[in-house]
Amino acid sequence: KNQVEQSPQSLIILEGKNCTLQCNYTVSPFSNLRWYKQDTGRGPVSLTIMTFSENTKSNGRYTATLDADTKQSSLHITASQLSDSASYICVVSRNSGGYQKVTFGTGTKLQVIP
Amino acid sequence: ETGVTQSPTHLIKTRGQQVTLRCSSQSGHNTVSWYQQALGQGPQFIFQYYREEENGRGNFPPRFSGLQFPNYSSELNVNALELDDSALYLCASSSQVVTEAFFGQGTRLTVV
Repeated sequence: KNQVEQSPQSLIILEGKNCTLQCNYTVSPFSNLRWYKQDTGRGPVSLTIMTFSENTKSNGRYTATLDADTKQSSLHITASQLSDSASYICVVSRNSGGYQKVTFGTGTKLQVIP
Repeated sequence: ETGVTQSPTHLIKTRGQQVTLRCSSQSGHNTVSWYQQALGQGPQFIFQYYREEENGRGNFPPRFSGLQFPNYSSELNVNALELDDSALYLCASSSQVVTEAFFGQGTRLTVV
């Protein structure tokens, strides 16, 4: 079954600290993995997209890693800011019948406090 | 801003009614996907339209239907609304079926 699991479910950190969010997936055949940031009640905004051959990709203070062998990805946030408070969703795509099917994780809810 | 716009932003309907949600895709994008996101959950795929034809469907009943127009904008129609249909409905557009998708801000539907 194609699944995406994220951990932790929620996280509270102090402003300025670093944190790492985890994503494990069983989606096959793998096409790409994306991390999105979603503010409450808003649409997700893309942070990174990684294909099979990419191990790491950065976007400012966000760094995503991908291990396609173990089917694991992480999103590392450096020097957190209050505006980083949001849900972070891992999305894995697979190719099926000529188009991509996506499976969303349930997300990690991050709260950054002063 | 992603260039994907959805309307309305909020909507309240009564059980049994019908609703139409709209999505304008980003310029140059010909693929639109619709998702339902219940509170505290990840988005669930409803269906995808590519060049005006349905190109895949998730586990949603037939009362969820859609359209894509020649300008690639799209509608999601839900008939016989149920209380459990209350959710954030997200639209995502992409330039073709295999590229990154950009999301609209969503429509918050409440069924009472």
